[in-house]
Amino acid sequence: RKEVEQDPGPFNVPEGATVAFNCTYSNSASQSFFWYRQDCRKEPKLLMSVYSSGNEDGRFTAQLNRASQYISLLIRDSKLSDSATYLCVVNTLYNFNKFYFGSGTKLNVKP
Amino acid sequence: GAGVSQTPSNKVTEKGKYVELRCDPISGHTALYWYRQSLGQGPEFLIYFQGTGAADDSGLPNDRFFAVRPEGSVSTLKIQRTERGDSAVYLCASSLPGTSYNEQFFGPGTRLTVL
Repeated sequence: RKEVEQDPGPFNVPEGATVAFNCTYSNSASQSFFWYRQDCRKEPKLLMSVYSSGNEDGRFTAQLNRASQYISLLIRDSKLSDSATYLCVVNTLYNFNKFYFGSGTKLNVKP
Repeated sequence: GAGVSQTPSNKVTEKGKYVELRCDPISGHTALYWYRQSLGQGPEFLIYFQGTGAADDSGLPNDRFFAVRPEGSVSTLKIQRTERGDSAVYLCASSLPGTSYNEQFFGPGTRLTVL
């Protein structure tokens, strides 16, 4: 079983739509959680860390559900420039510097 | 300031050859990571350096893969007797542990093709 699982998509949404992605992780000892964004043929870049209490950064909201072992990313008022692959990343308490990446969820925002 | 740089950006080699991939991390970043990313997949952890030492090399797939960071800055990933299955994008990332939830900054990657 993979450490981190994501729906690969693609999610095709019109501009202005609200879209949400989920990501599940298998290790209950997972400690830190992140969403990275990766544009086609580019390197991943940190979008946001995910805090236990949930956090918001502009149009982006991240939530953590430890009981069900999933994290979510909500994007409001989608822009064309949000089109990318969104990678879910976790690490564990026991190996803080080993990061597990999901396969990514592809988002296409259409005009 | 300068980000993480990787050279070469593309490398085409023949099966059985030896290759070296270089990573220049952000100045002052003590942590350095190597990942491998295949098409349609997320980055897969290979090895992590803290300073000069390999703190965790559990992701290296076999003994054909080796990485060094002799002076705690530049790192080289070395692959011996390359196989077609080694074809992927090799990503390097650096971070400054203890800050910003250990945010990793990635380089643009080296696209390795083994013919």
